Amino acid sequence: DAKTTQPNSMESNEEEPVHLPCNHSTISGTDYIHWYRQLPSQGPEYVIHGLTSNVNNRMASLAIAEDRKSSTLILHRATLRDAAVYYCILRDFDAGRRALTFGSGTRLQVQP
Amino acid sequence: GAGVSQSPRYKVAKRGQDVALRCDPISGHVSLFWYQQALGQGPEFLTYFQNEAQLDKSGLPSDRFFAERPEGSVSTLKIQRTQQEDSAVYLCASSRDWGEQFFGPGTRLTVL
Repeated sequence: DAKTTQPNSMESNEEEPVHLPCNHSTISGTDYIHWYRQLPSQGPEYVIHGLTSNVNNRMASLAIAEDRKSSTLILHRATLRDAAVYYCILRDFDAGRRALTFGSGTRLQVQP
Repeated sequence: GAGVSQSPRYKVAKRGQDVALRCDPISGHVSLFWYQQALGQGPEFLTYFQNEAQLDKSGLPSDRFFAERPEGSVSTLKIQRTQQEDSAVYLCASSRDWGEQFFGPGTRLTVL
């Protein structure tokens, strides 16, 4: 499986935008980029995913580099509830492996 | 709507005891996954079911770990002769085949 690299931790202030980076230099052409987050004492939850084009949903935006070797999860206005561990995960549907491969993720702290 | 539920939420076992952890997936979800999450780390894949068929058990750490989903809905993860290194949060997730995975709150297992 192609690997992802994320910073261990980041800090943000409430109501400011947050940019969470992820490097995936060995990504294959069939890898989708997924983001999940895990709030304290909860199971992970899906945030967003994309292949090549930038994606937006009600939770966040995903910006994918043109060469696809990196991506950035954007939270437009951080709230205290966004404090969580954010995981960047590659999923290759062609490989047939359905399980998610989590790394260590980025722990986001949001200051009031 | 009802999400993925797991029981018990907390389990304390003495070393050598057998434990059984239950997962109730979202109704209609054909795929069911078990993950193990050690303290401070990301979840790690254990096993995967499609309906009642266990298609991937490559993540099970030893033959003391056994999972079943006999009727294609509820699943049980059983750990025999528990060891201290089995202490972790056990997460269950379900999905509609390749779709986003919905996680339960997890069962925190502590082996004394």
